[in-house]
Amino acid sequence: DVKVTQSSRYLVKRTGEKVFLECVQDMDHENMFWYRQDPGLGLRLIYFSYDVKMKEKGDIPEGYSVSREKKERFSLILESASTNQTSMYLCASSPVRDRIYGYTFGSGTRLTVV
Amino acid sequence: EDKVVQSPLSLVVHEGDTVTLNCSYEVTNFRSLLWYKQEKKAPTFLFMLTSSGIEKKSGRLSSILDKKELSSILNITATQTGDSAIYLCAAPLNAGGTSYGKLTFGQGTILTVHP
Repeated sequence: DVKVTQSSRYLVKRTGEKVFLECVQDMDHENMFWYRQDPGLGLRLIYFSYDVKMKEKGDIPEGYSVSREKKERFSLILESASTNQTSMYLCASSPVRDRIYGYTFGSGTRLTVV
Repeated sequence: EDKVVQSPLSLVVHEGDTVTLNCSYEVTNFRSLLWYKQEKKAPTFLFMLTSSGIEKKSGRLSSILDKKELSSILNITATQTGDSAIYLCAAPLNAGGTSYGKLTFGQGTILTVHP
């Protein structure tokens, strides 16, 4: 069964820490995405990548960076975690650059910053 | 700015009830609209709608797109406790003709079905 795997289901970090959220897909998909999900706001796109070493900002990139050194792995980095980054983070991938077909989500990482 | 708006934001019903969830959109060069169901974990795909007036059906769930009204509805008949979830509506974005598969999502509707 094909998968998008996020390394942690729950994380608790302190304000100011550098935080890495990892996402791995085994479907050879080109596109990978990071969203955050907050009550009443839905899913908002943070960053996406359409190829190795390529990245584009989404709607809310401030305070985040990403890394895609290998096709299967897309990392989200919180350079200095803050309490307003407490949220559910969802990774997703899709197979073809210009198509929506086959958009697959990971199970999410619930991050709490204290 | 492209946007997708869902209503209601939350809904509480009893088993056996029928529910209708709404999604409206303002998207440049609209191509399709997608519905997802999210339980405790990853959102899972339900429907993709591209043509107006064509109903898509899967068991007790059905959805239809109205391009004139820029909206879609998701119907669930004879609801069960297992239908309790967040229902998400999304539309692909366009950026210079290449979307890279980006989606813009609505706020989601939290459906709670009581026994």
